[in-house]
Amino acid sequence: AQSVTQLDSHVSVSEGTPVLLRCNYSSSYSPSLFWYVQHPNKGLQLLLKYTSAATLVKGINGFEAEFKKSETSFHLTKPSAHMSDAAEYFCVVSDGTGFQKLVFGTGTRLLVSP
Amino acid sequence: EAQVTQNPRYLITVTGKKLTVTCSQNMNHEYMSWYRQDPGLGLRQIYYSMNVEVTDKGDVPEGYKVSRKEKRNFPLILESPSPNQTSLYFCASSLTGSTDTQYFGPGTRLTVL
Repeated sequence: AQSVTQLDSHVSVSEGTPVLLRCNYSSSYSPSLFWYVQHPNKGLQLLLKYTSAATLVKGINGFEAEFKKSETSFHLTKPSAHMSDAAEYFCVVSDGTGFQKLVFGTGTRLLVSP
Repeated sequence: EAQVTQNPRYLITVTGKKLTVTCSQNMNHEYMSWYRQDPGLGLRQIYYSMNVEVTDKGDVPEGYKVSRKEKRNFPLILESPSPNQTSLYFCASSLTGSTDTQYFGPGTRLTVL
């Protein structure tokens, strides 16, 4: 079975400082991993995805994530936070085998202060 | 415009009154799925469909039904809604499967009294 743990329910940063949102996963197979963002009262949008190519994945709006198999982690980072980054972020895993399920983490709310 | 649409966007109903939430995509995607979002629990997959007439259970299928008679449509049916099904529901689609980018609808906020 696959699972995802987002280690922080809330993260607060100041504008212009780095962002780190932590995600650990569990999967019996080679997983595909995703980060999605949900702005208030909006649907979800893909930030980036890892599907067994390069371990450092670059996404939209300056976000990136590194797949670390030895640590079973897929943390999301951004060098400099912007006010518009305030949103909820979801780490998602799928092993893409016979069971085509998607498993979401419980989410991390990013707060950005001026 | 490529999109996933859901209707209705908001619904208040009473316990036991059957309802259907529609989902439609115009991108010729094969994979479609339904999720519910609850505070502190993230999104949980209810059902998914790999193609027409092929559906399977997600992690929280109890109390829900789906059908996939046409490629573009994937309605979610609550035969006898209960208050614990009060939630925000999202439909999503992707080109071939769960490892592709998912495109989400705008959400349906359901309240069951």
